[in-house]
Amino acid sequence: EVQLVESGGGLVQPGRSLKLSCVASGFTFNNYWMTWIRQAPGKGLEWVASITNTGGSTYYPDSVKGRFTISRDNAKSTLYLQMNSLRSEDTATYYCTRGHTYWGQGVMVTVSS
Amino acid sequence: DVVMTQTPPSLSVAIGQSVSISCKSSQSLVYSDGKTYLHWLLQSSGRSPKRLIYQVSNLDSGVPDRFSGTGSQKDFTLKISRVEAKDLGVYYCAQTTHFPYTFGAGTKLELK
Repeated sequence: EVQLVESGGGLVQPGRSLKLSCVASGFTFNNYWMTWIRQAPGKGLEWVASITNTGGSTYYPDSVKGRFTISRDNAKSTLYLQMNSLRSEDTATYYCTRGHTYWGQGVMVTVSS
Repeated sequence: DVVMTQTPPSLSVAIGQSVSISCKSSQSLVYSDGKTYLHWLLQSSGRSPKRLIYQVSNLDSGVPDRFSGTGSQKDFTLKISRVEAKDLGVYYCAQTTHFPYTFGAGTKLELK
């Protein structure tokens, strides 16, 4: 059974950093692109970042480019999202996904002073 | 960016009815490999989203054939036949043909 378990969320002040993790199991992690998607409270879905199976290429929307970094450790079957210079508009539930097919339970990030 | 326009924003339905949701993209979603990366997801209340249909019309494993997806290029439709209570929630269309990946704003399906 495919499982994606996120961790690392919490309350953080504007301008500070936070790193999310997602541990994958139930599939061969290094065969798949992975993606972070977020959902602000009461709002729709927004794509945040994707990474190729080898980690050789990464992709971001303009809203997070230069502030967020997606990475992976295939030996540990773990996906990461380093979030720097956080803003109030980054407040959301962050989901780790495998190709929009499998989703984690989500982790809440609240950016507030 | 590809804008995904989803209509209607909400639908009230009686159990057993059929409904359709429209999703129109601002650009063609046909990729260079000839495939169209338009997907449909359902988010039930308090849950993570779940993909139902991928590449316009392919049902994900375990998705009942009451769900069907049609369309091409820029115009897509999700149809749900004989709605059941477990179908309620917010439906999203999503495109992964072009970066940045984008989503429709959602259609909330609720009981009449």
